[in-house]
Amino acid sequence: GAGVSQSPRYKVAKRGQDVALRCDPISGHVSLFWYQQALGQGPEFLTYFQNEAQLDKSGLPSDRFFAERPEGSVSTLKIQRTQQEDSAVYLCASSLRTSATDTQYFGPGTRLTVL
Amino acid sequence: AQSVTQLGSHVSVSEGALVLLRCNYSSSVPPYLFWYVQYPNQGLQLLLKYTTGATLVKGINGFEAEFKKSETSFHLTKPSAHMSDAAEYFCAVSVWSGGYNKLIFGAGTRLAVHP
Repeated sequence: GAGVSQSPRYKVAKRGQDVALRCDPISGHVSLFWYQQALGQGPEFLTYFQNEAQLDKSGLPSDRFFAERPEGSVSTLKIQRTQQEDSAVYLCASSLRTSATDTQYFGPGTRLTVL
Repeated sequence: AQSVTQLGSHVSVSEGALVLLRCNYSSSVPPYLFWYVQYPNQGLQLLLKYTTGATLVKGINGFEAEFKKSETSFHLTKPSAHMSDAAEYFCAVSVWSGGYNKLIFGAGTRLAVHP
């Protein structure tokens, strides 16, 4: 079956531009996560959705970051007025349920470069 | 607060040699631990996970890890390295947030395998 997909795979933005990153989770997965992976670092949690409800946005770096999952499937991470420090790989993951032991399945990521 | 420390950002081994990637965790509750592998320009793929029960966990591609509570460790091993094992490896602990979990990752260890 299809895994988690993300688009675009690569995005170059000029400082100050708005960007939108898309995540298509595995069909039927309740949980959806966004992580940010800076160069040479491990992924860091940004936000979590359970179906369409955003239950945790504690990892979003600033109010320029906004995420949504309106119908409980596809999710979009939006970054307004991008800054150079936003350059990173943005990873999306989904899991079937909400259990602490559930495996999170990751997409290939979107590499964002802000010039 | 839970955290993960991976000792050694780069490890180099000869093909056929033992692979040992170190991971120590900090957790105030019994941890759920994961090892993920990331190949270039790809998302993270689960190698193995420890939840409860047997402390020696076997994963894909011949990898295994042993949960040692007394040492707060979850080191990843493989008896004989293959060239295809060259990748970045991440250890993670699952943080239960009252209805969902999120992963806290270490900084990663890049494994190089040379002939």
